Amino acid sequence: QKEVEQDPGPLSVPEGAIVSLNCTYSNSAFQYFMWYRQYSRKGPELLMYTYSSGNKEDGRFTAQVDKSSKYISLFIRDSQPSDSATYLCAMGAGGGNKLTFGTGTQLKVEL
Amino acid sequence: GAVVSQHPSWVICKSGTSVKIECRSLDFQATTMFWYRQFPKQSLMLMATSNEGSKATYEQGVEKDKFLINHASLTLSTLTVTSAHPEDSSFYICSARGLAGANIQYFGAGTRLSVL
Repeated sequence: QKEVEQDPGPLSVPEGAIVSLNCTYSNSAFQYFMWYRQYSRKGPELLMYTYSSGNKEDGRFTAQVDKSSKYISLFIRDSQPSDSATYLCAMGAGGGNKLTFGTGTQLKVEL
Repeated sequence: GAVVSQHPSWVICKSGTSVKIECRSLDFQATTMFWYRQFPKQSLMLMATSNEGSKATYEQGVEKDKFLINHASLTLSTLTVTSAHPEDSSFYICSARGLAGANIQYFGAGTRLSVL
């Protein structure tokens, strides 16, 4: 079993839809959680960073962490074609060193 | 803020030659830099962790003599692929972490290496 599980998609939604992206994990030592967006042939771009359980909102993006269920989510409201990319969840334990990444979910927002 | 520059973005080389990739943190001091490799439609695979002024720590299965990492300053780390072969063709991405205790990694744009 992988430490972090993420559905690779592809996920196709119409413009304006609410998108829900999810990751589950098995390592209870993970304390901080991130979502990165990666366009084709580019490096990942940090979207959201959360520490411990709870919600965090930034514009059209909301990140949720449920440590009791070992489940994290990223919601995108009013999705746009420019949101079409691969979304990677990442998480780490204390010490600020290695991150463990999900495999990434490919999202396509269609006009 | 937190900009990481990676150069070159694309390099083509002949088999047997060496290629150097640079990773620079432009607006912060990176105590730790990371080098990843990514295959098409796959996630990031950590190759090594590089701390300024000390030897890099390589992940299991990564040949340290083939992938030479130097982190001589707080803003620059380099990855040299020595005697490159076609199987080394891949997308290499660096990331940088700022002050000690900070957890966030900021990524460069990646380097596409094609070995002929």
